[in-house]
Amino acid sequence: GAVVSQHPSRVICKSGTSVKIECRSLDFQATTMFWYRQFPKQSLMLMATSNEGSKATYEQGVEKDKFLINHASLTLSTLTVTSAHPEDSSFYICSARDGTGEAFFGQGTRLTVV
Amino acid sequence: ELKVEQNPLFLSMQEGKNYTIYCNYSTTSDRLYWYRQDPGKSLESLFVLLSNGAVKQEGRLMASLDTKARLSTLHITAAVHDLSATYFCAVDADSWGKFQFGAGTQVVVTP
Repeated sequence: GAVVSQHPSRVICKSGTSVKIECRSLDFQATTMFWYRQFPKQSLMLMATSNEGSKATYEQGVEKDKFLINHASLTLSTLTVTSAHPEDSSFYICSARDGTGEAFFGQGTRLTVV
Repeated sequence: ELKVEQNPLFLSMQEGKNYTIYCNYSTTSDRLYWYRQDPGKSLESLFVLLSNGAVKQEGRLMASLDTKARLSTLHITAAVHDLSATYFCAVDADSWGKFQFGAGTQVVVTP
């Protein structure tokens, strides 16, 4: 089946620095990808919809200047957490759908801001 | 606003017994998804239910969908320890592919 690869799987960064997370669809093209955030013991919450070649669409309450999304190609979307703070520590998961509509999820990125 | 309500949120299971997780949703979506998540891991797809009356089974898990009642169930038969995980249901929130997830059901299977 289709694969969505997310990198890195874990990252620790200092408060105030920026972190980039990559999400790649390995064997299909994804004009749209989604970024979710999951806090411990909670469900996945959609942060934004990443659109190839255009601006991302952010969910209410998500700061677009803090969570920069770039979808420069049909197989790659990146999420950059800028000026990270400890409260941004979370599990970030991307997803994409293939041509049949089936959804695939990346492996997730555990971000810890110290 | 689309709501997806999952219950129970926590389920302690005894090995060998049967249990059911319920997922209610507020939209007219005719697609529903079930996922499994192990600690520290991403989501593993279990079932995609595409129409009213759909029933799918894989091993000890069986999922069904009633779009008229806006209800899906995930039935676990003769629970075993390997089924310990958190289970999520999800519904299409729009036509572009974004999901609305339920809160998740944490399942712990004990001898």
